[in-house]
Parts: sequence; C-alpha cells; structure tokens
Amino acid sequence: SAVISQKPSRDICQRGTSLTIQCQVDSQVTMMFWYRQQPGQSLTLIATANQGSEATYESGFVIDKFPISRPNLTFSTLTVSNMSPEDSSIYLCSVEPGQGADTQYFGPGTRLTVL
Amino acid sequence: AQSVTQPDIHITVSEGASLELRCNYSYGATPYLFWYVQSPGQGLQLLLKYFSGDTLVQGIKGFEAEFKRSQSSFNLRKPSVHWSDAAEYFCAVNSGGGADGLTFGKGTHLIIQP
Repeated sequence: SAVISQKPSRDICQRGTSLTIQCQVDSQVTMMFWYRQQPGQSLTLIATANQGSEATYESGFVIDKFPISRPNLTFSTLTVSNMSPEDSSIYLCSVEPGQGADTQYFGPGTRLTVL
Repeated sequence: AQSVTQPDIHITVSEGASLELRCNYSYGATPYLFWYVQSPGQGLQLLLKYFSGDTLVQGIKGFEAEFKRSQSSFNLRKPSVHWSDAAEYFCAVNSGGGADGLTFGKGTHLIIQP
C-alpha cells in the first residue's frame, strides 16, 4: 500500500476564486488519480495524472476548470478554478503503487465548500 | 461502458447479526472488483479485491466477498457486524492493469442497531 496525505483537509472558499489541493505520497508511484465526491454521492473520476505527461480528463471535466500538475513521482496538485457552489465536494487523490498491485489507495480527501 | 449497481441505498442491521451488501457490475471483459469502506469524515479504505482465481476472497475486518460471473455479482458479507462497521460501502470496478480509474457504485449506507 501507500501512505497518502492531502492538503488542505478542508476549506471554505468564495465564489469565483480558485483552490489548489496537494497530494503527497510516501513512495514513488506512476499512476495518480483525482476523484470528486459530491455531497451524498459516489466518487467520480476527474482525471488520471502520470508523471511526465499531460493529465487525461474524463468526460465532463476540462483542463481549464481542473488543471492538474504532476511534477514528480510522489506529488500532484489539482486546482479547482473559478469556483461556484456546485464545486462543493470532497476531492480525493488515489495512487496505484505499481509492481502489479493493480489496486488504488486513497488519500483522506479535501472537503471543499464554496459560498 | 462499465457500470456498478448497488441496489440498497441504506441497510440497517442489528449488532451481531450477519450482513450482505449487494453489488452487480456490467463489464465486457473480466473485471477487477473492489470493495471500499468510507467512515464518516474519512477517506476510502480498501476492504478486499478480486482479480482472478478463487471466487471467494477474504478481506480485512472479517469481511469476505464472492464473485459470481453468472450473476455479474460481487456481494460483500460479514458473519457478525460490530457497531464500528457503520459506514458507507462502495463497490468498484476497473479493467485492471493499473492504468484505469475506478468506476464506483452509488454506495450503501450501513446502519448498526444496538
């Protein structure tokens, strides 16, 4: 498995602003993923972030709204841009440790409230 | 496209009673199947997974799940629940290989009665 931390753990933001969420892993991993969990809902994949390449976004998510960086094998950021109340969600990163694990492990999540 | 159905939104079980949470999947090939648990205010914790082989898999916290290809199901079971099992349970699927994101079911909220 892997130990994953996220910052911030929660935040309250104003409409129209942006928030960058950090995801740090205690080991080098190739595959990192970002998910959104809207209130009372399940998790939806936003994008896949591989080091050294552009993030791959799922249908309904665009880079201008959710830019992602992946500067190295232990770190990634997700920015939620020009926020609206509809962006209020828990944002979770996950990693696939590789070496045949084929299993994703999740960070604790960032709870975002947009007013 | 793959999909996961968890038909029970809420389940209430008495402490000490047995538990079964249902999960049905739709996937064109051999799926990789997972159960995760989310306690209030927490991230997701992996309970167990099935890739191939023995269709009955054991997980953490006394949970097990059985893969039934003929029924496209991967139901989670526990013989005796504890109050600490109260949480949200998610079934998920992907194609395996480590490169794909997970497709989640809507989750089942488990309530434990004393």
